[in-house]
Amino acid sequence: KAGVTQTPRYLIKTRGQQVTLSCSPISGHRSVSWYQQTPGQGLQFLFEYFSETQRNKGNFPGRFSGRQFSNSRSEMNVSTLELGDSALYLCASSRTSGRGGDTQYFGPGTRLTVL
Amino acid sequence: QKEVEQNSGPLSVPEGAIASLNCTYSDRGSQSFFWYRQYSGKSPELIMFIYSNGDKEDGRFTAQLNKASQYVSLLIRDSQPSDSATYLCAVNLDTGNQFYFGTGTSLTVIP
Repeated sequence: KAGVTQTPRYLIKTRGQQVTLSCSPISGHRSVSWYQQTPGQGLQFLFEYFSETQRNKGNFPGRFSGRQFSNSRSEMNVSTLELGDSALYLCASSRTSGRGGDTQYFGPGTRLTVL
Repeated sequence: QKEVEQNSGPLSVPEGAIASLNCTYSDRGSQSFFWYRQYSGKSPELIMFIYSNGDKEDGRFTAQLNKASQYVSLLIRDSQPSDSATYLCAVNLDTGNQFYFGTGTSLTVIP
C-alpha cells in the first residue's frame, strides 16, 4: 500500500506571496492532519480534516487554511507569506478520527522557504 | 505552559545499553500517548502508542504510562547505532487527531 505523498517537496517563495501544498493520504484513510515543524517550536498542529470537514484547528492565524476533497486528498494554503512561515510542513494520514485519536502516518513533508 | 515537555538531550548511551526517554504532559484529560522516531531530514515514524497505565512492550521498545504523575516514558533495550535519532512524544487530549508534540529528545548510540 502506498504511503502518504506530499507535493511539492521543496518550495521557495517571497514574502507576500501565497502557496498551496498538497497531501494524498494512504488509501482508505479519511483523516488528514497538517503540522508545521520548525527547529525552535517543534511540531505544531495546524488543522485536521475528516470526511471533508475541518475537525480541529490549532493556534495559527487565518492566513493558514485548508480543505479536503471527496477522495480524502487535502490541500493547505498560506496567504501573504512571512519569513517566519519558513518551515517543514508535514501531513499525517489516519484511518479514523475518534476519541483519543488514531495512529498517524506522516508524509515526507514540504520544505517551504520564504525569502 | 507547554502541554508536552521532553528533555532535549542530547542523550548518549553505549551500544547494547538501555536508553530511557521521558515525557511529561500538563493536561490530565489526555487520552492517548504516542512515541515517534525522526531521523535527521526525514519525517516522523511511529514506534508505539499506549492508552492505559502500566507498561507496553514491542520488541526492544517498552512504553510506560503513569497518568497520576502525568508521565510517559520509552525504554529502548539493547540500543543500536541505528536507534540514533530524535524521539518525539505526542499526546492526544480528546477527540480527533489533534496531537501535541514535545520538542523531542536527541539520542546518540555510541558503537
